[in-house]
Amino acid sequence: GAGVSQSPRYKVAKRGQDVALRCDPISGHVSLFWYQQALGQGPEFLTYFQNEAQLDKSGLPSDRFFAERPEGSVSTLKIQRTQQEDSAVYLCASSLAPYDPYEQYFGPGTRLTVT
Amino acid sequence: DAKTTQPPSMDCAEGRAANLPCNHSTISGNEYVYWYRQIHSQGPQYIIHGLKNNETNEMASLIITEDRKSSTLILPHATLRDTAVYYCIVRVDDTGGFKTIFGAGTRLFVKA
Repeated sequence: GAGVSQSPRYKVAKRGQDVALRCDPISGHVSLFWYQQALGQGPEFLTYFQNEAQLDKSGLPSDRFFAERPEGSVSTLKIQRTQQEDSAVYLCASSLAPYDPYEQYFGPGTRLTVT
Repeated sequence: DAKTTQPPSMDCAEGRAANLPCNHSTISGNEYVYWYRQIHSQGPQYIIHGLKNNETNEMASLIITEDRKSSTLILPHATLRDTAVYYCIVRVDDTGGFKTIFGAGTRLFVKA
C-alpha cells in the first residue's frame, strides 16, 4: 500500500515568505508527527496529532510555525515569514495507534531552503 | 535531550555482523526501545523494537540487558546498503502525546 507522502519534496523560499508543507499519512493512521532535521543532525520533534487533535506542540520553535490536521488525515505545516534558520528537512511520520508499541512510518521529507 | 547515548560512528566489513550499542540508563519500566535507521536523503525507517525480551525480525536482532539500561542492535550479515545512521530511541510519554527524541545516532559505514 501507499506510504507516507509529502509535498513538495523541495521548496526554495525567500526570507520573509510564507510556506506550506503537506503530509499525507498512511490511511487509517491515528497519530501524525512532524519533525525538523537540520543538516547532519537527528530529527527533532515539532508537534504531534492524534486524529485532528494537536496534543503536543511543544517542539514548535516559534509562533511562526503552525500545524493543522483538520479532518484527522492530511496535515499541513505552515511557516510564516521564513528565516534562514528555518532551512532544514521537514519530516512527517504517522503511526497506527497513539500508544506503544507502534512504529512510526516516515515520509521522504520536504527540503526547505530559505535564501 | 535524548534519553539514549550512542557512539557517533562505527565501521563494519561487508558480510560480518554489525553490533550497534545503545545506553539508556534512565529508561522507565514501561518505555520501549526502538531502533530506526536513516539512509542518506531518505526518511527514517523502522527496524525493530523491544521492551524486555530479545527480539528478532527479518532485518535485525535486538538484545536488551536484563536491567534494561542498555541494548545492542545486531545486523547479522551487513551489506553495503546497510550504511546509514542508526537511531536508538526510548519513547517519552509527555503531555498526552508521544514525543519521540532521536538524538544524533550512530553513523555505520559498511565497507567492502
